[in-house]
Amino acid sequence: EAGVAQSPRYKIIEKRQSVAFWCNPISGHATLYWYQQILGQGPKLLIQFQNNGVVDDSQLPKDRFSAERLKGVDSTLKIQPAKLEDSAVYLCASSSQGVSTDTQYFGPGTRLTVL
Amino acid sequence: EDQVTQSPEALRLQEGESSSLNCSYTVSGLRGLFWYRQDPGKGPEFLFTLYSAGEEKEKERLKATLTKKESFLHITAPKPEDSATYLCAVLPRGSQGNLIFGKGTKLSVKP
Repeated sequence: EAGVAQSPRYKIIEKRQSVAFWCNPISGHATLYWYQQILGQGPKLLIQFQNNGVVDDSQLPKDRFSAERLKGVDSTLKIQPAKLEDSAVYLCASSSQGVSTDTQYFGPGTRLTVL
Repeated sequence: EDQVTQSPEALRLQEGESSSLNCSYTVSGLRGLFWYRQDPGKGPEFLFTLYSAGEEKEKERLKATLTKKESFLHITAPKPEDSATYLCAVLPRGSQGNLIFGKGTKLSVKP
C-alpha cells in the first residue's frame, strides 16, 4: 500500500513570497491533516479535513495560510505572504475512518526555508 | 492547557544497554496516547497506541506502557538502527483528531 505522498520535498523562498504544498493521502483515507513542525519541536496541527469539509482549523493563521481539499482526495496548503517564522517542515497525515482515535500516517514532509 | 513533556531530551546508549524514555502528560481526559519514531528528514512513523492505564504493547525491542499521568517507552538491548527521535502524542477528550505532541527524545545507540 502506498503511503502519504507530498511534494515538493524542499522549498526555499524569500519572505513575502507565496508557496504551495501538495499532499496525496493513502488511498481511501477520509481524514487528512496538515501539521507544522518547527526544528526541535513536535508537530502542531494546522488544519484537519474530513472528506471535503474542514473539521478543525483553529490553529491555522488564516491571514496568510489557506488550505483546500477538492473532491475529498488531494490537498494543497498555501502560504501568502511568507514570513521568516514560517520556516519549518510541513507534514501531511491521513487516517482511515474519521474516528478521532484512528492512527494517523504521516508523509515525508516538505521542508520550507524562508530567507 | 493540554501538555506533553518528554524526557530526557537526548539519550546516548551503547548497543545492548537497555533504557526507558518518559512521556508525562496533562490533559482534560485522555482518549489515546501515541508513540511515533522519526528519522532525520522523514515523517513520523507510527509505533503504538495506548488507550487506558495499565495497558502495554510490544514490538521487537520496544515496549510501551501507560499510567494515568505518564507513559514509558522501554528499549531492550537496543541496536544502532534504533537511533531516531521518539515522539509521544496525546489525543484529549473532545478532540476530533488534534494530536498534542511532545518535543521528542533523540536516541543515539553506539555500536
